[in-house]
Amino acid sequence: NAGVTQTPKFRILKIGQSMTLQCTQDMNHNYMYWYRQDPGMGLKLIYYSVGAGITDKGEVPNGYNVSRSTTEDFPLRLELAAPSQTSVYFCASRSGGPNEKLFFGSGTQLSVL
Amino acid sequence: AQTVTQSQPEMSVQEAETVTLSCTYDTSESDYYLFWYKQPPSRQMILVIRQEAYKQQNATENRFSVNFQKAAKSFSLKISDSQLGDAAMYFCAYRRAGNQFYFGTGTSLTVIP
Repeated sequence: NAGVTQTPKFRILKIGQSMTLQCTQDMNHNYMYWYRQDPGMGLKLIYYSVGAGITDKGEVPNGYNVSRSTTEDFPLRLELAAPSQTSVYFCASRSGGPNEKLFFGSGTQLSVL
Repeated sequence: AQTVTQSQPEMSVQEAETVTLSCTYDTSESDYYLFWYKQPPSRQMILVIRQEAYKQQNATENRFSVNFQKAAKSFSLKISDSQLGDAAMYFCAYRRAGNQFYFGTGTSLTVIP
């Protein structure tokens, strides 16, 4: 099983550039999440989705956009990248039921210079 | 707003000894879930243990157990017989009976041979 796949693993952007972080899961999970992790900090929720066509803001949504056209894919779009968006980004999906757990991708290290 | 606090940025333990990591949280909900996640240097997030708030019995998973004190809003993780492979960043997380997860700032655990 591939689980949650994130691409790219590393990226350097110039200020003002845009990019899309890709996330796909093959577990048919309805719930998907985007987090950012800054050094010495916990994970902050950017956006989440409870199913195809439904997205909602998390704690730190400014400067980001998401879409959820299919159950499998949940891309995160950065418009007009800023140095404050330098971080490690994690995508996750959640299984339901009595043994629910978050499945995380391997992360994307993004630097905005 | 829900917050998760981990007051120990760093902890160390001798191999084969026991260590306890602290976590407190703030919520007005009565139905929620608590988790401990481990993040080794590989950056992959790994579920260690989960606890449902409605369960009085503390969760255990092999060498890992929790002390869940609902009234005190405390959720500590005990690692017994510590192994070198336990060295990692540990995050406490909270999920209310909705969809958002909230993470603490993490505790870096060092295991001394």
